[in-house]
Amino acid sequence: DAGITQSPRHKVTETGTPVTLRCHQTENHRYMYWYRQDPGHGLRLIHYSYGVKDTDKGEVSDGYSVSRSKTEDFLLTLESATSSQTSVYFCAIRRGGTQGAYEQYFGPGTRLTVT
Amino acid sequence: SQQGEEDPQALSIQEGENATMNCSYKTSINNLQWYRQNSGRGLVHLILIRSNEREKHSGRLRVTLDTSKKSSSLLITASRAADTASYFCATGLMNRDDKIIFGKGTRLHILP
Repeated sequence: DAGITQSPRHKVTETGTPVTLRCHQTENHRYMYWYRQDPGHGLRLIHYSYGVKDTDKGEVSDGYSVSRSKTEDFLLTLESATSSQTSVYFCAIRRGGTQGAYEQYFGPGTRLTVT
Repeated sequence: SQQGEEDPQALSIQEGENATMNCSYKTSINNLQWYRQNSGRGLVHLILIRSNEREKHSGRLRVTLDTSKKSSSLLITASRAADTASYFCATGLMNRDDKIIFGKGTRLHILP
């Protein structure tokens, strides 16, 4: 499982409240990713990081921010949660391969419900 | 935007039969990968095929890639109940090794 943990695993929160999800890895991988998974949409990339303090947007970044102050931790923040952000959130790391062909390994996911 | 699209969206077969699912994509790729997701779990990497490869095997899995048709297929032979899961293709774009793009997946159900 590439030593990836996510916390919390489940969260229910109210509209308008801030929420922070944490992804922690133990193998010192440079690249980390946050995805959301919704029925009918598959996995969509929110943000990713290619090093400490180095992040970039994915295809569904609006309403989300990220931070990476240490190699092992990648935080996803919903500044003011909305019902449309109810989803399952997955963290992943990039591992292995050679230039141009890398695999990703996923954490167990966080189920977030915004009421 | 969705790069890969799996077909069919759902598939039910009897245990012991072979399961085939397909993935089509739109732009040139460096590699294509297949992942499995069991219900309520994270995705698990199954196999990666590079753009200069046509076929690859791993245990009961066989993946083919046709870059002229921009398509790939995943064959699972002698299916088992434990193969029940969703399967996703993901494409690595040319000159972009920082991310991959996932399709929407095929839900495979193995009937006893």
